[in-house]
Amino acid sequence: NAGVTQTPKFRILKIGQSMTLQCAQDMNHNYMYWYRQDPGMGLKLIYYSVGAGITDKGEVPNGYNVSRSTTEDFPLRLELAAPSQTSVYFCASLGQGSTDTQYFGPGTRLTVL
Amino acid sequence: GEDVEQSLFLSVREGDSSVINCTYTDSSSTYLYWYKQEPGAGLQLLTYIFSNMDMKQDQRLTVLLNKKDKHLSLRIADTQTGDSAIYFCAETFSGNTGKLIFGQGTTLQVKP
Repeated sequence: NAGVTQTPKFRILKIGQSMTLQCAQDMNHNYMYWYRQDPGMGLKLIYYSVGAGITDKGEVPNGYNVSRSTTEDFPLRLELAAPSQTSVYFCASLGQGSTDTQYFGPGTRLTVL
Repeated sequence: GEDVEQSLFLSVREGDSSVINCTYTDSSSTYLYWYKQEPGAGLQLLTYIFSNMDMKQDQRLTVLLNKKDKHLSLRIADTQTGDSAIYFCAETFSGNTGKLIFGQGTTLQVKP
């Protein structure tokens, strides 16, 4: 299994540009999550999904959109990039089992100038 | 609301024990986790403890949970330079769709 994969690894955007951060998992997990990590901070939840076709807002959803058309993929869309969205973005999926362990992708480092 | 707090920095000598502390506010948490993040990398699950446990040991790692004080700690025995990283505690709740609430992370510096 590849686990949770994210693309791209790095990206620089200009203010007002848009982009999609890709996330995929091959573990057949129902639950998937997008977090952002600002310097010196913990992770904040942006959006999450409990299954294909179902998404919901997390703690910091403003400026982002998501979709979940398949179990495997959970892309995160930035429509009008702002400097405040400069961050490292992590995707995660939830394993099924007694520990309810989340598996994290390697992250996407985004800079908005 | 839910809140998780950690001290920001800890420095130890190689071979010493490290103790990283975490406090949380919501007593309804079900699982509490410790994640490790090395520079430029994602989060790696180190260990976890169910909320009805007091202690869990896993090789060099010991997790202690004081539910009364809402305090969680991670002890690393015989700390090595490879243990230098940021350590995050996190909690999740029953019926909460697996969402994790993270602390801000503790940077562990291990000096040779």
